[in-house]
Amino acid sequence: EPEVTQTPSHQVTQMGQEVILRCVPISNHLYFYWYRQILGQKVEFLVSFYNNEISEKSEIFDDQFSVERPDGSNFTLKIRSTKLEDSAMYFCASRGGQGIVYGYTFGSGTRLTVV
Amino acid sequence: EDKVVQSPLSLVVHEGDTVTLNCSYEVTNFRSLLWYKQEKKAPTFLFMLTSSGIEKKSGRLSSILDKKELFSILNITATQTGDSAVYLCAVEAGKNYGQNFVFGPGTRLSVLP
Repeated sequence: EPEVTQTPSHQVTQMGQEVILRCVPISNHLYFYWYRQILGQKVEFLVSFYNNEISEKSEIFDDQFSVERPDGSNFTLKIRSTKLEDSAMYFCASRGGQGIVYGYTFGSGTRLTVV
Repeated sequence: EDKVVQSPLSLVVHEGDTVTLNCSYEVTNFRSLLWYKQEKKAPTFLFMLTSSGIEKKSGRLSSILDKKELFSILNITATQTGDSAVYLCAVEAGKNYGQNFVFGPGTRLSVLP
């Protein structure tokens, strides 16, 4: 079964450092998303991406965050200067095009720990 | 503001029991409602519901949507310890296809042997 792959599975970084979280969505999917889940809390939407641009973003997704699809297969989330409160599990998800009726497929997540 | 509420937030049952998990929502331009099961890491897809009154079934799990009353239920019959997980309800809303889903807080189900 097709999978969304995320790397690394766990990253520890110092406050103020930049991190890049990587995702390889399912190959024929058109819509890509990043969500985060702070330990013990609900899943929160960060950003959606379609046709090589951001289609929607939440208030969490401020200027510190950026997304890219650099080579047609990877989908990355960059956090420019990490803060302690950025510690969370970050999930990438992808979804097929219009007319395909099924839900997201989530990646297995990257646990980001900012120290 | 779009909102998804789940109840109960936590539930402890014994193997063999039947459970009903609830999800209610208030969103603009409802498109679909999804149920996910989250164990250790990524949520895994269970059901997608778009029409009222049509029950979706997968083994011991079933779900139904009521778009008039703005809620959905997820039923699990003959629960097993492997059903222990957080069950997430997510609603897709908005004018454009592919917009984000709003997640509820989840129901943590613990099934005791």
